[in-house]
Amino acid sequence: AQKITQTQPGMFVQEKEAVTLDCTYDTSDQSYGLFWYKQPSSGEMIFLIYQGSYDEQNATEGRYSLNFQKARKSANLVISASQLGDSAMYFCAMREGGPGSARQLTFGSGTQLTVLP
Amino acid sequence: DAGVTQSPTHLIKTRGQQVTLRCSPKSGHDTVSWYQQALGQGPQFIFQYYEEEERQRGNFPDRFSGHQFPNYSSELNVNALLLGDSALYLCASSFPGQVGAGELFFGEGSRLTVL
Repeated sequence: AQKITQTQPGMFVQEKEAVTLDCTYDTSDQSYGLFWYKQPSSGEMIFLIYQGSYDEQNATEGRYSLNFQKARKSANLVISASQLGDSAMYFCAMREGGPGSARQLTFGSGTQLTVLP
Repeated sequence: DAGVTQSPTHLIKTRGQQVTLRCSPKSGHDTVSWYQQALGQGPQFIFQYYEEEERQRGNFPDRFSGHQFPNYSSELNVNALLLGDSALYLCASSFPGQVGAGELFFGEGSRLTVL
C-alpha cells in the first residue's frame, strides 16, 4: 500500500483565493511526522510546514496551514491568499518515528499547483 | 550561512558509465541523505550517511554507493548506468539532535541524463 497518497496531480487556483491540497497517509507507527514541501522548477525542495502525530493543534506557518485529521489519516495543506509565486509542485511526506528520528522521509507523488492571475 | 550545495548541477552520461555526485551539507549538519527523483514523481530515499557510515538504505541496488568524508560532505556513486537512472538526485542534510520540523534541508539537486 502507498504510504503517502496525493490524489490531485494538478490544481488551479485564482490569485488571492485559498486552495487545499490533499494528502492521506498510512502508517502503523504511533509517532510520526508529516511534512509539506514546495518544489519550484529549480528543483530545490523548500520546507513549508510540519505536523507531529502528537501535536494537538493544527500547524500554521504564515499563509500555510495543515488540516490534520488523525483518525482519517489525512494531512491536507491549505494555502490562503494564493500568490503567483506559489505556482510549483507540492509534496506531502512522512517520517515514521519520533521528532528528531533519523528515519527517511517517504514522499507522495506531488500536486502541481498553478495560480492564475 | 551556506545551505546545501550540490555539484554538478547537470550532467549527461551514456549507458554503462559511472557517475559521482557531490554534496556539501548545511553548516552545522552532520547527516547527509540522498534521494532520487524521477521525472513526474516524488523523491525516493537512497541512503543516509552519518559519522562516515551508511546508516540507512532504501530499496536501491548495490550499483548505488556512497561515501561521507570527515568534513561531513558526501558523494553518491552510481556504476553501470542504466537509462532508468536518469533523474534529479537530491541531497539533504540534517542534524540528529534537532527536534520537530524543518530538520531536513535540501540542495537544488544534480540532474543526471543517461543516454
